[in-house]
Amino acid sequence: DIQMTQSPSTLSASVGDRVTITCRASQSISSWLAWYQQKPGKAPKLLIYKASSLESGVPSRFSGSGSGTEFTLTISSLQPDDFATYYCQQYNSYSLTFGGGTKVEIK
Amino acid sequence: QLQLQESGPGLVKPSETLSLTCTVSGGSISSSSYYWGWIRQPPGKGLEWIGSIYYSGSTYYNPSLKSRVTISVDTSKNQFSLKLSSVTAADTAVYYCAKQLERLYYFDYWGQGTLVTVSS
Repeated sequence: DIQMTQSPSTLSASVGDRVTITCRASQSISSWLAWYQQKPGKAPKLLIYKASSLESGVPSRFSGSGSGTEFTLTISSLQPDDFATYYCQQYNSYSLTFGGGTKVEIK
Repeated sequence: QLQLQESGPGLVKPSETLSLTCTVSGGSISSSSYYWGWIRQPPGKGLEWIGSIYYSGSTYYNPSLKSRVTISVDTSKNQFSLKLSSVTAADTAVYYCAKQLERLYYFDYWGQGTLVTVSS
């Protein structure tokens, strides 16, 4: 299986901050990476696919970058609605795997 | 608007089989190229993909769960189902069904999830 490692596991930030979350793959996955946002008690919501493509309806303050083994999700100006847990997922291999998650908390 | 809804028992005894169904509305489960998957999330933990199915019945599973998992599809009811055998407390989780645009892909639509607790 391809292992996905996210960092940090928890991030404290304020409204208006620029936030960056990293996801590393144990082997190259080209650009086959998605990012999700999950709020407590809710299903994950797709934000980004193919590493940098913004899902329809997702605010443009979210962006993704990277290829190969290292990827980032950036929120350009953190909004109150963005406090949540974020997961990456690789879909390069037969066995789909997720990162462990990054919780974005209010500072 | 496509919607997915999980249903099934919320409590399963250890060593028994967990059975869940996902009903798809607002679209056809037989749509070309779409795959339909199950993902679970133990309380307070991360996401784990269980397996996925095509409307033809073609399946692919997480190797770590493959020996205990069966996913099936009923196109006449626009549903797909999950069976997980020989469950233990470690299988306690919120179980989500979700849609993929293609076989090896991300999940663009999700059900709300259903909590299944394994306990005697």
